[in-house]
Amino acid sequence: NAGVTQTPKFQVLKTGQSMTLQCAQDMNHNSMYWYRQDPGMGLRLIYYSASEGTTDKGEVPNGYNVSRLNKREFSLRLESAAPSQTSVYFCASREASSLKQFFGPGTRLTVL
Amino acid sequence: GQQVMQIPQYQHVQEGEDFTTYCNSSTTLSNIQWYKQRPGGHPVFLIQLVKSGEVKKQKRLTFQFGEAKKNSSLHITATQTTDVGTYFCPEGGSGTYKYIFGTGTRLKVLA
Repeated sequence: NAGVTQTPKFQVLKTGQSMTLQCAQDMNHNSMYWYRQDPGMGLRLIYYSASEGTTDKGEVPNGYNVSRLNKREFSLRLESAAPSQTSVYFCASREASSLKQFFGPGTRLTVL
Repeated sequence: GQQVMQIPQYQHVQEGEDFTTYCNSSTTLSNIQWYKQRPGGHPVFLIQLVKSGEVKKQKRLTFQFGEAKKNSSLHITATQTTDVGTYFCPEGGSGTYKYIFGTGTRLKVLA
């Protein structure tokens, strides 16, 4: 039982490049989330998926797209990366019975 | 989810001192959760409070939910270096799937 896994762990992009951050959970959770964390800014919600087939915007969705590929996987795409998107990205899933969120280890992204 | 304001933003304490962080909301919360994030790590769920006036303990950590369900506190007795990290208190998304974590309280423990 791996919990929530994220790939890659680290990534460096040039401005304008695109990439997809992958997230998968093996806990059979319906809800999944993407957050970004910048120094001094805490955790900010980018997008979430309440259940397979649905996605909704969070606090800071601009510049991102998401895909809930199936119940296990929720990906985050940067179509044209900007330096302001340099951050640590966390994926999480939520246990329906307890509302507890389980976080992945994060992806550290630098955009030059 | 509601936005919960957390104070202080930063706290440095000597090892062995007590520490308290507070979360306040202008509206009634359905529940409140506490998470801890160690430096370089990811947030980890600590506890959830649901009932008015609820108090829960985990070893040296005491969590309280206010009578009006608008505030909560986390108190650590006799801090240790293992308590270092950032503590967050989002509302737990009951009735909504959105969680607003905010900036949290960053605790540094000086040995």
